[in-house]
Amino acid sequence: DTEVTQTPKHLVMGMTNKKSLKCEQHMGHRAMYWYKQKAKKPPELMFVYSYEKLSINESVPSRFSPECPNSSLLNLHLHALQPEDSALYLCASSLGQQANVLTFGAGSRLTVL
Amino acid sequence: AQSVTQLDSHVSVSEGTPVLLRCNYSSSYSPSLFWYVQHPNKGLQLLLKYTSAATLVKGINGFEAEFKKSETSFHLTKPSAHMSDAAEYFCVVTLSGGYNKLIFGAGTRLAVHP
Repeated sequence: DTEVTQTPKHLVMGMTNKKSLKCEQHMGHRAMYWYKQKAKKPPELMFVYSYEKLSINESVPSRFSPECPNSSLLNLHLHALQPEDSALYLCASSLGQQANVLTFGAGSRLTVL
Repeated sequence: AQSVTQLDSHVSVSEGTPVLLRCNYSSSYSPSLFWYVQHPNKGLQLLLKYTSAATLVKGINGFEAEFKKSETSFHLTKPSAHMSDAAEYFCVVTLSGGYNKLIFGAGTRLAVHP
C-alpha cells in the first residue's frame, strides 16, 4: 500500500457545525502532516505529527484541532469555522520527520457556509 | 533562509513540443529540491527529487531536472509534452536533515494545446 487516503473528499459545513477530516496510511510512515491549500496557491503547512506526538503547530487557530490516535491515522477536528477556512485540506506522510519525501493524499475539499 | 521562485506562473505549449518550467532557489545550506505535480482537484505527486547525488535527475512520466549550483536553478524539462501533462507544478526546497519543512514555490500552471 503506497497511498494516503483522505475522507471525506468533499465536506460542506455551517459555521456552528463540528466535523472531522480523516487521513490514513499503511506505509509504516511515522510522520504525518496537515496542509491547507487555497485556490491557485501552494499548500501551507498547518501541523506535523512525529511518532504520534504533535511536533509542529504553525500558529493555526484553535478552531482546528488535530489528533493522531495511532501511527496510521490522523484526524483534523473542525469547529466554529469561518467561510475563509474553505480550502483543500491535504494530508501527507513521510518515513520520519527528517525524511523529506512526502506522500500526499488527494485532499478533502471543505466549504464553510 | 530558504526560498524558491518559479519564474513563470503560466506556461502554454503545444502537444509534442518541449516543456521548460523554471525554478530558482535560495538556500544557505545544501538543499534538497523537488518537483511536485498537482492535477485539478487532486493531491500532490512527487515527480522527482535532488538530494546531492547526480545533478541531472530523472523523474516519472519523462520529466527531468538539472541542479545547477552556480545558477541556483532547478529547471524542469520534458522533451515532448502530452495532453495529460496539463497541471500545476510546484518547485520545493527543504534543508537536508533537521526538521523537514517544505518551502513551496508559487506554482506554474502548464497548459498543453492540441
